[in-house]
Amino acid sequence: EPEVTQTPSHQVTQMGQEVILRCVPISNHLYFYWYRQILGQKVEFLVSFYNNEISEKSEIFDDQFSVERPDGSNFTLKIRSTKLEDSAMYFCASITGIGSYEQYFGPGTRLTVT
Amino acid sequence: DAKTTQPPSMDCAEGRAANLPCNHSTISGNEYVYWYRQIHSQGPQYIIHGLKNNETNEMASLIITEDRKSSTLILPHATLRDTAVYYCIAMIYNQGGKLIFGQGTELSVKP
Repeated sequence: EPEVTQTPSHQVTQMGQEVILRCVPISNHLYFYWYRQILGQKVEFLVSFYNNEISEKSEIFDDQFSVERPDGSNFTLKIRSTKLEDSAMYFCASITGIGSYEQYFGPGTRLTVT
Repeated sequence: DAKTTQPPSMDCAEGRAANLPCNHSTISGNEYVYWYRQIHSQGPQYIIHGLKNNETNEMASLIITEDRKSSTLILPHATLRDTAVYYCIAMIYNQGGKLIFGQGTELSVKP
């Protein structure tokens, strides 16, 4: 069964450093998402991406965040200057977008900012 | 999207049916009820969705009341691997729309 993959599984970085989280969505999917989950809290929407542009973003997704689909397969989330409060699990998800109701989630990247 | 209310936690004996309730009293006519679950910090997993009619798939059944103000997710024979947080989400089917997660119900399946 096709699946969404994410790398790395765990990233440790120092405050102020840039990080790039990578995702490979399912190949025929058209909509892509990033969500995050701070430890012990609920899953929060960050951004959705369609047709090579952001279709929606949350208040969390400020100027420090950016997304890109550089090569037609990878989907990346960049945090320019990480803060301690960016420590969380980051989940990538995708959906075919054509009469589909099911978002497929990746296993997540645990980001630890020290 | 309509707000949903779920109990914070529930227990279920292994092999028995797990019935997880969800209230969505302000749901509008074009909002679907979706259920996802999250097993121990893994990525959320889609379970089932419905609009008005009861639905069943290989994972679960979804019973929606006639007035659509509440629903119940049924796992017919719960196993230890069904221990997870279950999320009920009401939303309009919007091609590409985001999911808004609440706190969900933490289901513990016990031997």
